[in-house]
Amino acid sequence: SQQGEEDPQALSIQEGENATMNCSYKTSINNLQWYRQNSGRGLVHLILIRSNEREKHSGRLRVTLDTSKKSSSLLITASRAADTASYFCATVGPSGNTPLVFGKGTRLSVIA
Amino acid sequence: KAGVTQTPRYLIKTRGQQVTLSCSPISGHRSVSWYQQTPGQGLQFLFEYFSETQRNKGNFPGRFSGRQFSNSRSEMNVSTLELGDSALYLCASSPEPANYGYTFGSGTRLTVV
Repeated sequence: SQQGEEDPQALSIQEGENATMNCSYKTSINNLQWYRQNSGRGLVHLILIRSNEREKHSGRLRVTLDTSKKSSSLLITASRAADTASYFCATVGPSGNTPLVFGKGTRLSVIA
Repeated sequence: KAGVTQTPRYLIKTRGQQVTLSCSPISGHRSVSWYQQTPGQGLQFLFEYFSETQRNKGNFPGRFSGRQFSNSRSEMNVSTLELGDSALYLCASSPEPANYGYTFGSGTRLTVV
């Protein structure tokens, strides 16, 4: 079963614009992770944010976490055509003993 | 260093047959997880292994089984294949469970006809 739910399901933007994807989850977490998947291939880990952290950055990526609202957002700044992919959030339960559970993802299309 | 290696990349099997998929994790990674990905159900968790012990198991029938060897390599087996087992099977490794991001392999695309 999916723990995280991404919003929107699909997003289409112009190159150079910012893209924001949201993730909501149902139960407490140990950490939340974001992954990217290019069509039909393996997933690539982007960022891990722990439950006691509020924001993390990696290059053009910014992730925020609001545990009171059980939500996270992924911001990609200055999008490029190469950012076209599906983006997934995934969570680990509070004990750290549960598996990494994925949402259904947001399909991002960046138009050149 | 080498990434996560999954073999074979593609597989076509007939209903009723069985299949074994292999995963070699990144050297030094002791945790291996398996996922099934389909367009309808998304990424569904199958198994998680750590130091040869099954740590977690997803909600799949007993036809799905797996194991991890002392060198951290892992295999999963699906017996009595059904059409609905057609999917991309993804393996991921990490140094240990929960505290690190996972490195995924490219997957095995299984088609059951």
